[in-house]
Amino acid sequence: AQTVTQSQPEMSVQEAETVTLSCTYDTSESDYYLFWYKQPPSRQMILVIRQEAYKQQNATENRFSVNFQKAAKSFSLKISDSQLGDAAMYFCAYSKRFNNAGNMLTFGGGTRLMVKP
Amino acid sequence: DAGVIQSPRHEVTEMGQEVTLRCKPISGHNSLFWYRQTMMRGLELLIYFNNNVPIDDSGMPEDRFSAKMPNASFSTLKIQPSEPRDSAVYFCASSLGTPGFNWFFGSGTQLSVL
Repeated sequence: AQTVTQSQPEMSVQEAETVTLSCTYDTSESDYYLFWYKQPPSRQMILVIRQEAYKQQNATENRFSVNFQKAAKSFSLKISDSQLGDAAMYFCAYSKRFNNAGNMLTFGGGTRLMVKP
Repeated sequence: DAGVIQSPRHEVTEMGQEVTLRCKPISGHNSLFWYRQTMMRGLELLIYFNNNVPIDDSGMPEDRFSAKMPNASFSTLKIQPSEPRDSAVYFCASSLGTPGFNWFFGSGTQLSVL
């Protein structure tokens, strides 16, 4: 079974600084997808960024980027120029490659990010 | 599209009562997922459907929980009888299940069992 581990229950960053959230996963699959979701106090689950395992290039979305290390099964999220609105729970998630039977998302335990003004 | 719609947003009930949570997935999506979120256990998959058929219900805690998807536009998660340890946020999500596609989550139902 696939597992996702986030070893940092809480992180803190100063506004405008950079912070990196860690995630490791375990899978025997060679093709899969990785995600970072943001959950603000409103509890809405918001997709931040996704990475296809077959792509060597790290995904980037504006101030958010990932460091995907396939051999190490590591998938960290870097937030640059942190803003107060970035304060939230962040979840790392994994899915096998899509197939006709559907695919489930497996989540890590989450990291609570606090942003200090 | 209105996104994934869940109801109710909040539910407070007494132990022993039946609780029914509802979900309307995004039109055209063929996979539907029920997740439960608690402080202790994080986000757990309870069950998921593909083309209205349950594919994996191994996450359903016990026989008190049941889920149905009678058609492509509606699903329910029922707890009978409810217990205080069922208190959690229950999320529904849907997906198209094709390469490159994403999951979309509803706003969740906050369930409190007293």
